[in-house]
Amino acid sequence: EAQVTQNPRYLITVTGKKLTVTCSQNMNHEYMSWYRQDPGLGLRQIYYSMNVEVTDKGDVPEGYKVSRKEKRNFPLILESPSPNQTSLYFCASSLTIGELFFGEGSRLTVL
Amino acid sequence: GNSVTQMEGPVTLSEEAFLTINCTYTATGYPSLFWYVQYPGEGLQLLLKATKADDKGSNKGFEATYRKETTSFHLEKGSVQVSDSAVYFCALSGSQGNEKLTFGTGTRLTIIP
Repeated sequence: EAQVTQNPRYLITVTGKKLTVTCSQNMNHEYMSWYRQDPGLGLRQIYYSMNVEVTDKGDVPEGYKVSRKEKRNFPLILESPSPNQTSLYFCASSLTIGELFFGEGSRLTVL
Repeated sequence: GNSVTQMEGPVTLSEEAFLTINCTYTATGYPSLFWYVQYPGEGLQLLLKATKADDKGSNKGFEATYRKETTSFHLEKGSVQVSDSAVYFCALSGSQGNEKLTFGTGTRLTIIP
């Protein structure tokens, strides 16, 4: 089954404690992206990757890092989380820019 | 830059009512337009798309027509069901081939029996 898998789905952490949200896709897609969803703001892109070893900033990259060492994986790293990073995060992949396949989301709370 | 404006929700309708969710956009060139749907507790799913002016995208009884003259891509359905309750997002991708997807803020739709 074609899917994008994110982990963890739910996480509560404290300010400053590094965390990684993993994302894996099994569709051999070159393009992958991370979004955050906040009430009243819709989805905003954090980072995206056009291919292995190629990553670029989206609209709200501050406080986040990504890596793309292999095609299937695109982890999102929060080196020092802060409360304003409390959000619902989505990983997505696609063959073409517009037709995204989304993961089920990771709800992160930073205390 | 590119932007998408959707009608604000929430929208509440009775079953079998006619649905319209308005979406207008600002973009240079000839973007592609999309509607995504997010059911409770799930990620977004592509509902329909249109890649050029006057194209009509359709899926699951939903339709939207790419209107370049009014820069609009309104979502319509003739008879909604309770199972259509979800958040709907309008989105566009730029015409350069390497631009990100820009989303609207989403419209929450609730259908009551």
